[in-house]
Amino acid sequence: AQTVTQSQPEMSVQEAETVTLSCTYDTSENNYYLFWYKQPPSRQMILVIRQEAYKQQNATENRFSVNFQKAAKSFSLKISDSQLGDTAMYFCAFMRYIQGAQKLVFGQGTRLTINP
Amino acid sequence: NAGVTQTPKFQVLKTGQSMTLQCAQDMNHEYMSWYRQDPGMGLRLIHYSVGAGITDQGEVPNGYNVSRSTTEDFPLRLLSAAPSQTSVYFCASSFNREAYEQYFGPGTRLTVT
Repeated sequence: AQTVTQSQPEMSVQEAETVTLSCTYDTSENNYYLFWYKQPPSRQMILVIRQEAYKQQNATENRFSVNFQKAAKSFSLKISDSQLGDTAMYFCAFMRYIQGAQKLVFGQGTRLTINP
Repeated sequence: NAGVTQTPKFQVLKTGQSMTLQCAQDMNHEYMSWYRQDPGMGLRLIHYSVGAGITDQGEVPNGYNVSRSTTEDFPLRLLSAAPSQTSVYFCASSFNREAYEQYFGPGTRLTVT
């Protein structure tokens, strides 16, 4: 079974610092997608960044970037120049296709606090 | 576009009661799904639908029913609520079964006493 593990339940950094959130996953499939979602106190799930497994180049979205290590099954999120608005729960997620339908598997989440 | 909407935002039920959580999307998305989020855990898939009239079970389907009579709506029914169903419920949609990006609703916080 596919599993997603986030080993850091909580993290805290000062504003403007860089922070890296860890994620590992387990799968025997070759084609899949990986995501980082942000969930602020409003509870809304917001897609931060995605990575296609067949792409070797790491995805980047403004201050957010990933380090995708396919052989190691590792998918970490780096937030540069962190801002107070980055305070949220962050979930790593793995998407697979079963019988033609997409299914997301989420990690347990990392609670990130950005301190002023 | 309103995106994905869910009602109600909060609900308290007694054990054994039934209710329906509503989910609607106005983006003409084929694929819709329901997740539950428990403390200390990520979201887990309950049921999903790849189009009107087609539904299937996810990871944790027991105690829940769904139907999809229209493209827009995907209600989740609790037939006989149990305290173990206390959770936050999210509905999500995507363009079709191959699309990788899912759009989430704001969630419904359900408490069963």
